[in-house]
Amino acid sequence: SQTIHQWPATLVQPVGSPLSLECTVEGTSNPNLYWYRQAAGRGLQLLFYSVGIGQISSEVPQNLSASRPQDRQFILSSKKLLLSDSGFYLCAWRDRGNSPLHFGNGTRLTVT
Amino acid sequence: RKEVEQDPGPFNVPEGATVAFNCTYSNSASQSFFWYRQDCRKEPKLLMSVYSSGNEDGRFTAQLNRASQYISLLIRDSKLSDSATYLCVVNTAGNAGKSTFGDGTTLTVKP
Repeated sequence: SQTIHQWPATLVQPVGSPLSLECTVEGTSNPNLYWYRQAAGRGLQLLFYSVGIGQISSEVPQNLSASRPQDRQFILSSKKLLLSDSGFYLCAWRDRGNSPLHFGNGTRLTVT
Repeated sequence: RKEVEQDPGPFNVPEGATVAFNCTYSNSASQSFFWYRQDCRKEPKLLMSVYSSGNEDGRFTAQLNRASQYISLLIRDSKLSDSATYLCVVNTAGNAGKSTFGDGTTLTVKP
């Protein structure tokens, strides 16, 4: 069966520090991968998605970047965090076609 | 206008009540539809897919009206454990198959 791992679970970082969140998927090949962010009390906002190694699409201009160095690895990064980057970051995968998304446990990021 | 709109609630109902959530979407080319459940400070989890013919999973019934671009979720005989935020999700067509989420409807079931 397929599993998705996301770490760390919580993170407190000062403004201006770098960020690296990692997500890996097991039990499937060539999945679509996604990064979402959820601000407190708000809905999910799609940040990036990837349909293959090295292929990244950005949905909104922001202080973040994403990379997919391996088929089942998706990384979210920032060179310098802003206060507004605080939120709940969720990695997700899905098969091609019309299948549903499956989420990792999420990373709760607080920028101080 | 948001691509996917839900009544935010909150819905506060007693145990055993029947409650219905509605969702509308604006992209007529949308391909697939889902309901997710999100508990406080947790990741969303798939509750059920939504099919044109309507589908049922125990106490949960989902309906889709493509002509009206409307999705619904009915929960019968509510349990305390049903308390959560329910998210309507719409997938667009294409290889990337992006999923657009509604902001969610919060349900609290009270004893």
